[in-house]
Amino acid sequence: AQSVTQPDIHITVSEGASLELRCNYSYGATPYLFWYVQSPGQGLQLLLKYFSGDTLVQGIKGFEAEFKRSQSSFNLRKPSVHWSDAAEYFCAVAPSGGSYIPTFGRGTSLIVHP
Amino acid sequence: EADIYQTPRYLVIGTGKKITLECSQTMGHDKMYWYQQDPGMELHLIHYSYGVNSTEKGDLSSESTVSRIRTEHFPLTLESARPSHTSQYLCASSDLGGSSYNEQFFGPGTRLTVL
Repeated sequence: AQSVTQPDIHITVSEGASLELRCNYSYGATPYLFWYVQSPGQGLQLLLKYFSGDTLVQGIKGFEAEFKRSQSSFNLRKPSVHWSDAAEYFCAVAPSGGSYIPTFGRGTSLIVHP
Repeated sequence: EADIYQTPRYLVIGTGKKITLECSQTMGHDKMYWYQQDPGMELHLIHYSYGVNSTEKGDLSSESTVSRIRTEHFPLTLESARPSHTSQYLCASSDLGGSSYNEQFFGPGTRLTVL
């Protein structure tokens, strides 16, 4: 079975600073990888996904993530954070076969200081 | 407009009451899911469905039940609510197409408090 670790519970950055949220996964083969964002009182919205091919994927709202097989990581990055990026961010991994149902990490809460 | 809806958004109820959380989607998706979300914890899958008359239990044991009589509707029922059921419940849907995973679309959630 797959698993996901998001080691940072909270991340605080200043507006305009760069951001990197960490995600490590455990899965026997190449998985499907995702980042979702959840604003307060809302459901989750997909930011980006990796299935295969180019290991650097671009998403919505200026986010990108890089798949590193050797490190079993899929870290989320943004070069310049806006106050509206404050939210909860979830990394998820789905098996590349079978049910395809994803497993989610615990989430990282992003706090943006003005 | 294609979307996924959950009602009620907030519910406060007493112990022992029967409740049904509603979830509807207008995207024609075959797969639907229910997740339980607690602060600082992973989303836990409690039920899912591949289509009409299909329901499966997820990886988190739950005392709730679900039904899938119509493609667009996937209600979750608690026969006798308890304080341990206090949580946020998220409904999601995705397409069943082909052999690849398809993006999950999430509803806004129902925050349940059982007194």
